[in-house]
Amino acid sequence: SQQGEEDPQALSIQEGENATMNCSYKTSINNLQWYRQNSGRGLVHLILIRSNEREKHSGRLRVTLDTSKKSSSLLITASRAADTASYFCACRSGSEKLVFGKGTKLTVNP
Amino acid sequence: DGGITQSPKYLFRKEGQNVTLSCEQNLNHDAMYWYRQDPGQGLRLIYYSQIVNDFQKGDIAEGYSVSREKKESFPLTVTSAQKNPTAFYLCASSTGVAGGQPSTDTQYFGPGTRLTVL
Repeated sequence: SQQGEEDPQALSIQEGENATMNCSYKTSINNLQWYRQNSGRGLVHLILIRSNEREKHSGRLRVTLDTSKKSSSLLITASRAADTASYFCACRSGSEKLVFGKGTKLTVNP
Repeated sequence: DGGITQSPKYLFRKEGQNVTLSCEQNLNHDAMYWYRQDPGQGLRLIYYSQIVNDFQKGDIAEGYSVSREKKESFPLTVTSAQKNPTAFYLCASSTGVAGGQPSTDTQYFGPGTRLTVL
């Protein structure tokens, strides 16, 4: 399986701090995506990074991809209480299926 | 408003009953998906459909059935054969894989249906 696995499983920080979540996968990919899920809600797409890209930014989000290490990281800068959610990475390897990890549960304390 | 909707939000099932979860999208997407999420877990793919009148089993299709008679709709039936159906069910859609090439499209999710077996 090429399922992404997030690390850590849970992360608790203070408002204003940066939050870093990591995702590792097993086989080569076409792209890797990060999604966010608020408790009891559906997932929301945050950012997609292609296999030939190394870094992407979107607002306070920064995603890196290291294909040699088969890993990606999501950095949220200057976190806010509203960033409290679960964050999932999802890998696509050319098939139509997107494979999700188990997620990192982020808590940002005011 | 464009989007993807699921109903009902909460559903209770007695053992031995079949129940159907609704998923509708007005995004003109070709592809639709059903996922199951258990507490503290990631998403597991139940069924997906790349085009009308066609669908494929995902990783955990046993005890579930789907239909795709219209582009906008992809209902999921949880049958009595599913022994542990209590979970959060998420429907998603995407533009789909075009021309057989890997797609960089993203998935848009509905708000989910929480199914509980009584």
